[in-house]
Amino acid sequence: DVKVTQSSRYLVKRTGEKVFLECVQDMDHENMFWYRQDPGLGLRLIYFSYDVKMKEKGDIPEGYSVSREKKERFSLILESASTNQTSMYLCASSLIGQSSYEQYFGPGTRLTVT
Amino acid sequence: QKEVEQDPGPLSVPEGAIVSLNCTYSNSAFQYFMWYRQYSRKGPELLMYTYSSGNKEDGRFTAQVDKSSKYISLFIRDSQPSDSATYLCAMSADFQKLVFGTGTRLLVSP
Repeated sequence: DVKVTQSSRYLVKRTGEKVFLECVQDMDHENMFWYRQDPGLGLRLIYFSYDVKMKEKGDIPEGYSVSREKKERFSLILESASTNQTSMYLCASSLIGQSSYEQYFGPGTRLTVT
Repeated sequence: QKEVEQDPGPLSVPEGAIVSLNCTYSNSAFQYFMWYRQYSRKGPELLMYTYSSGNKEDGRFTAQVDKSSKYISLFIRDSQPSDSATYLCAMSADFQKLVFGTGTRLLVSP
């Protein structure tokens, strides 16, 4: 059974804190993605990575950075959390090439920044 | 204007009804079209995939793409309470990057 796991289901952080969200996949997928999901705005792509140590900005990268040191792990970093980063964060992975439309999602991390 | 527009609902139907979910889009470069289903407190999962225009059927689900109108649909026949979820359309021009709609919440009552 394919699996994408995220380090926390719920997280509460204070404004200005550095926040790490971790994602691990066990499917040997090349692509990994970080989205945030907000009511009325849907899923928006923050960053994606198609290989170890490679990263590409998505539609809303401001205030975020990522790290991919190993193929199975993709981390999202909020350098200085702000209240407008309160959201549901979803990690996904996919194969590269023609099957990359099938993204496998983790259960999400609901982050609250106070 | 958003690249992909989708009515957020909720759409409430009785069990057994035919459900029609729709998205419109503005980017004519999109050629890969998907429907994802998301249950409460879960991540989305792929339901249907269609390349370019046409229909695709899978059990009770039918996906339609009309590229000339920039309009895609998902039909659910004989809807069940277990179909209650949020349905997200997604599109791509290049496989790698998907653009999602906001999702339509569907409620099927017994």
